Amino acid sequence: EDKVVQSPLSLVVHEGDTVTLNCSYEVTNFRSLLWYKQEKKAPTFLFMLTSSGIEKKSGRLSSILDKKELFSILNITATQTGDSAVYLCAVIYNYGQNFVFGPGTRLSVLP
Amino acid sequence: GAVVSQHPSWVICKSGTSVKIECRSLDFQATTMFWYRQFPKQSLMLMATSNEGSKATYEQGVEKDKFLINHASLTLSTLTVTSAHPEDSSFYICSTNQNNPSGMGFGPGTRLTVL
Repeated sequence: EDKVVQSPLSLVVHEGDTVTLNCSYEVTNFRSLLWYKQEKKAPTFLFMLTSSGIEKKSGRLSSILDKKELFSILNITATQTGDSAVYLCAVIYNYGQNFVFGPGTRLSVLP
Repeated sequence: GAVVSQHPSWVICKSGTSVKIECRSLDFQATTMFWYRQFPKQSLMLMATSNEGSKATYEQGVEKDKFLINHASLTLSTLTVTSAHPEDSSFYICSTNQNNPSGMGFGPGTRLTVL
C-alpha cells in the first residue's frame, strides 16, 4: 500500500534550537516530494525535491532527498517562534497521477 | 503559486441541511481543481479531483452522492455537502494546479461545523 510517514508527529523546542523533520515514503513510481508549512489555514509551499542528494535552501530552512533510502529531511536552524506550525510532506507518484500528504509534524517553538 | 479563494470561510449548519462551498481560481484558468478534507490534528486527505466540464473523480471511500462537485467554469468549482451530519464537520480546502506543485495554490479553507 502506498504511504507517506512523518516523524516525529510532534516536537517542542526552544528558540535557537535546530530541528530535523523526517519524511519517508513507499510509493509506486515516485516522481517528487514536497514540503509544506501549515499554520492556521491552508499549507504554504516550501520545497519540491525530485533528485537525490541536492540540497535546497531557503533562509534557515533546507531539505534534501534520498531516493535510495526513500526519505527526505527538512532542517530548520536557529528556530524562531514563528516557525511553529505543522510541517507536511507530500509525494507525487504513479507517473504524476497521485498526490498524497503525510500526517505532518507539529512543531512548537517556545520563546 | 496560483491565487485561490474560498467562500464561505466558516459555516455552521444544522444536521440534515446542505452546504455549498465555492472555490475560485483568481489568476489562473484551472481545468482541474482538488478538494481536500482535514480533520483536527490530521493531515489533508484528498477527496476528489474536479474536472472542468466533466464529472469529478472521487477517492476511494468518498461518497459522490454526498459530496457533490460541480466545475462549470475554468475559475469556479463548488463542493456541496448534502444532508450534512456532525461527522462531516471538518476543514475543507481546495487547490489548483497540482501538476505544478510548486505553483500549487490552496484556498484558505472552509471550516464546516454541523450541529
